[in-house]
Amino acid sequence: EIVLTQSPGTLSLSPGERATLSCRASQSVSSSYLAWYQQKPGQAPRLLIYGASSRATGIPDRFSGSGSGTDFTLTISRLEPEDFAVYYCQQYGSSPTFGQGTKVEIK
Amino acid sequence: EVQLVESGGGLVQPGRSLRLSCAASGFTFDDYAMHWVRQAPGKGLEWVSGISWNSGSIGYADSVKGRFTISRDNAKNSLYLQMNSLRAEDTALYYCAKGPSSSWYANWFDPWGQGTLVTVSS
Repeated sequence: EIVLTQSPGTLSLSPGERATLSCRASQSVSSSYLAWYQQKPGQAPRLLIYGASSRATGIPDRFSGSGSGTDFTLTISRLEPEDFAVYYCQQYGSSPTFGQGTKVEIK
Repeated sequence: EVQLVESGGGLVQPGRSLRLSCAASGFTFDDYAMHWVRQAPGKGLEWVSGISWNSGSIGYADSVKGRFTISRDNAKNSLYLQMNSLRAEDTALYYCAKGPSSSWYANWFDPWGQGTLVTVSS
């Protein structure tokens, strides 16, 4: 099983700032099969990024994904008030697994 | 608009069974793989099971293998999860999610339903 470790656990930032979230895999993720999700309290997760860097339909371009192999990054270029949430990475190169999440909170 | 609506959750005693359902609409159901993903209260996400478009290929997490059975009825646009021998650690919100292709393998999940809560307790 591929274990995904997200860091930091919590990111305290102000609106307008840049957020950089990390997801590290215990072994190489084949074909960059890495997705990112956003989850707000009381809501289901929403797909943001798939294939490590492809934005899902309707996702603003302030969200971008990068990386390959074992190291992946989700960047939010300028935080909007609605972006404060928990973010999960997921690998789907083998039996799917998720990271433990990064909470982006208002500073 | 794609819609996934789960049902069937509730309070159940350890060792008992429960069957979850997911009603799908807004897309051609039998073209796509489907999945169940769960989230324990206050915790992260865990993939539970996936099924290909024609039920020909199925996958399970090790934590549920031998106890849970995924199935689908394409004529009814419905996905199911039969959960047997339930344990306290199965307590979670269970989400139904659509895959991007006909195979359950190598899938991201989009969209997700709102979930149905399963509580296993005596």
